[in-house]
Amino acid sequence: QVQLVQSGAEVKKPGASVKVSCKASGYIFTSYTMHWVRQAPGQRLEWMGWINAGNGDTKYSQKFQGRVTITRDTPATTAYMELSSLRSEDTAVYYCARMYCTSIRCYNVDHWGQGTLVTVSS
Amino acid sequence: EVVMTQSPATLSVSPGERATLSCRASQSVSSNLAWYQHKPGQAPRLLIYGASTRATDIPARFSGSGSGTEFTLTISSLQSEDFAVYYCQQYNNWPPLTFGGGTKVEIK
Repeated sequence: QVQLVQSGAEVKKPGASVKVSCKASGYIFTSYTMHWVRQAPGQRLEWMGWINAGNGDTKYSQKFQGRVTITRDTPATTAYMELSSLRSEDTAVYYCARMYCTSIRCYNVDHWGQGTLVTVSS
Repeated sequence: EVVMTQSPATLSVSPGERATLSCRASQSVSSNLAWYQHKPGQAPRLLIYGASTRATDIPARFSGSGSGTEFTLTISSLQSEDFAVYYCQQYNNWPPLTFGGGTKVEIK
């Protein structure tokens, strides 16, 4: 069965960076795209960006442009999200989520990771 | 950016009763709308995609309807395991993917 297993909780100081991993199994990793979504306390889910696991193409939300980097390791079937210059407002649960896309269109997100809590505190 | 608005924010329902959740888009998203169920500490779970198609292994008591800007998720007879937060999400006009603020379904 499809599984997305994320790395464990992190505590970081302001100005530091964090890298969250998302290990995929149960499907052909390179046939899907992977998105990263976060949810800060009391806030709605917020899309950060995505990667085409096949060709490595990425696109980021304007809000996070310059601070977020999404990568993947195809032999390890793992996607990564790195967020730099952390501030207290980045305290949130970060999720990876799988989406199927063809050359013509993309479909819905169908599987999510369990989430990784990142706490930014001095 | 397409803004998704869900109502109500909280819905108090007794087990066995019907729950009706609403989601509105700021512009047409056609039928490119999904519903997710989210319980604390768990991964969100896809319930409905294409506005009305149940995902794999989702019980028939969950149904979705609507198109364009108005959507509804109905749970016909609430079971104890259905108490959770429900989100709608559009995937028609993106990036960015956008989500509603959620409806918490709680026990009355």
